[in-house]
Amino acid sequence: AQKVTQAQTEISVVEKEDVTLDCVYETRDTTYYLFWYKQPPSGELVFLIRRNSFDEQNEISGRYSWNFQKSTSSFNFTITASQVVDSAVYFCALSEAPRDDKIIFGKGTRLHILP
Amino acid sequence: DVKVTQSSRYLVKRTGEKVFLECVQDMDHENMFWYRQDPGLGLRLIYFSYDVKMKEKGDIPEGYSVSREKKERFSLILESASTNQTSMYLCASTSPNGPSNQPQHFGDGTRLSIL
Repeated sequence: AQKVTQAQTEISVVEKEDVTLDCVYETRDTTYYLFWYKQPPSGELVFLIRRNSFDEQNEISGRYSWNFQKSTSSFNFTITASQVVDSAVYFCALSEAPRDDKIIFGKGTRLHILP
Repeated sequence: DVKVTQSSRYLVKRTGEKVFLECVQDMDHENMFWYRQDPGLGLRLIYFSYDVKMKEKGDIPEGYSVSREKKERFSLILESASTNQTSMYLCASTSPNGPSNQPQHFGDGTRLSIL
């Protein structure tokens, strides 16, 4: 069965520090997709990234980077030089082919960036 | 720009009432989803629909039903509201033929309180 574990319930860091959010997943499929979403205090879910299981290249987008490691079933998310606007709840999620639009979410990590 | 609109941001109802939560998308998406979000539990899938007049149960369908009479509208119904249905409800849509990097679009959520 599919499962996504975000062991860190809540993290607080001081602005400009780097922070890594952990995500571990379980799936029996060889073809699957991993996602990260951000939910700021306003409540809407903002899509950040989707990665398929055949692409293990790390991704960097500005201050955000993602480390996908199939060997450890992990898809970790790092924010470099954090800012107060990064404060949010972050969700890691998983879907399996062929219906890759049904997504299973982790419980989320609440990130506080302190000024 | 894509848009998923939920009819209410905040809603207060009484125990035993029949409650309707409406979701409309303007992207001609085939697939629509209802989730509920609770602290410490993340997002859990209630129902989803891949086509008009079609519905499938998600992980927690008990106490809920849905209606999809038109492609753009997906309604969540609480047949007889109970206090344990107090939650944030999120609607999402996607197209199986859409851009591969943005699988689901979310509405802003409805925070429902059952008194």
